[in-house]
Amino acid sequence: QVQLVQSGAEVKNPGASVKISCEASGYTFTGYFMHWVRQAPGQGPEWMGWINPKNGATNYAQKFQGRVTMTRDTSMSTAYMEFRRLRYDDTAVYYCARRGPPIAAADAYWYFDLWGRGTLVTVSA
Amino acid sequence: DIQMTQSPSSVSASVGDRVTISCRATQNIRNYLNWYQQKPGKAPNLLIYAASSLQSGVPSRFSGSGSGTDFTLTISSLQPEDFATYYCQQSHSTPYTFGQGTKLQIK
Repeated sequence: QVQLVQSGAEVKNPGASVKISCEASGYTFTGYFMHWVRQAPGQGPEWMGWINPKNGATNYAQKFQGRVTMTRDTSMSTAYMEFRRLRYDDTAVYYCARRGPPIAAADAYWYFDLWGRGTLVTVSA
Repeated sequence: DIQMTQSPSSVSASVGDRVTISCRATQNIRNYLNWYQQKPGKAPNLLIYAASSLQSGVPSRFSGSGSGTDFTLTISSLQPEDFATYYCQQSHSTPYTFGQGTKLQIK
């Protein structure tokens, strides 16, 4: 079954860090870019960045530069997103999302075609 | 950054109605525009990519059109399962931005 399985909900104090995992199954993990998208309560989704699981290259939204690190473990088909110096307004559901089509397709048009179920991160003292 | 503005922010309609949702970009994004449907507590689900291409498995009552800065998602005959929130997303340039959403409610 093609799916992304994310780690469970987290509650963190302001200033703390969180690391979320996203395990891919049912497809070739290194064949697709993985993106991270967050959604604050009642808001639209917000793109955070991507990682190329094949070579580890990353591209982060400028808004999150310096606070976010995306990594992967190809042996475990798992992507990770670490977010540091958490603030109250970082409370959100964090999603991993696969970018289709495959990297090898070199298609100009791309989209998020597979999403994890989301990980709720609550920042609270 | 490219801002994406959807209208209306909410709409009430009945089963069988035709509904149109608009999305406007602050810059020319050609047809690098995707549409997603999201139900409460669930992740977004891809409906339309490249402005007008229907994702596999998505019912044909969904269609997309537009190019440049103005785009439209149309649902030709609403079904009960279509009541949800819809988002547009530009895939033209980083940061890849989403609209604020259009909530489709039952009249």
